[in-house]
Amino acid sequence: QVNLLQSGAALVKPGASVKLSCKASGYTFTDYYIHWVKQSHGKSLEWIGYINPNSGYTNYNEKFKSKATLTVDKSTNTAYMELSRLTSEDSATYYCTRSPDYWGQGVMVTVSS
Amino acid sequence: DVVMTQTPVSLSVAIGQPASISCKSSQSLVGTSGKTYLNWLLQRPGQSPKRLIYLVSKLDSGIPDRFSGSGSETDFTLKISRVEADDLGVYYCLQGTHFPLTFGSGTKLEIK
Repeated sequence: QVNLLQSGAALVKPGASVKLSCKASGYTFTDYYIHWVKQSHGKSLEWIGYINPNSGYTNYNEKFKSKATLTVDKSTNTAYMELSRLTSEDSATYYCTRSPDYWGQGVMVTVSS
Repeated sequence: DVVMTQTPVSLSVAIGQPASISCKSSQSLVGTSGKTYLNWLLQRPGQSPKRLIYLVSKLDSGIPDRFSGSGSETDFTLKISRVEADDLGVYYCLQGTHFPLTFGSGTKLEIK
């Protein structure tokens, strides 16, 4: 069955970067885009962008263009999102999702000194 | 960006009663292909969102037919014919026609 397994929770210092992973299984990884979504505590959902695992093509929400970088490793069926220059505004739960029918379990990122 | 306006913000429904959630978009969601990329998601407490409906009215695999979606252009509705305890959570609409993709602000369904 389709599964998206995300890396564990992260506590990072302001100004640092963090790289989140999303390992896909149960389907052909290159057949579906991987999207990333942000959910700030108790709030709604924001689309960050997507990556085409086959070509590496990315499409970002303008709001996150200087914040997020999406990549994939086809050899391990894993998608990554790196968040840079972190501030308290980046503290949230981040989800990867397959197009968007299947979702990862989410990873909580806390930015604190 | 396309603004998705969901109403009501919350609703309390007794088991076995119907429920209805509205989602209105700030522009037409009909794409150049002629398809309308409107999805409905449910996020149960402490869980990831789960898609229930795509392309306005198509049920995802395993979703009971108590759920139905309808609408066109800018006006969409999710209906639950008979609410069950497992239906509690926050419902979101999501448009996938225009970039950036945008979500509604959510409707919290509570069981009365």
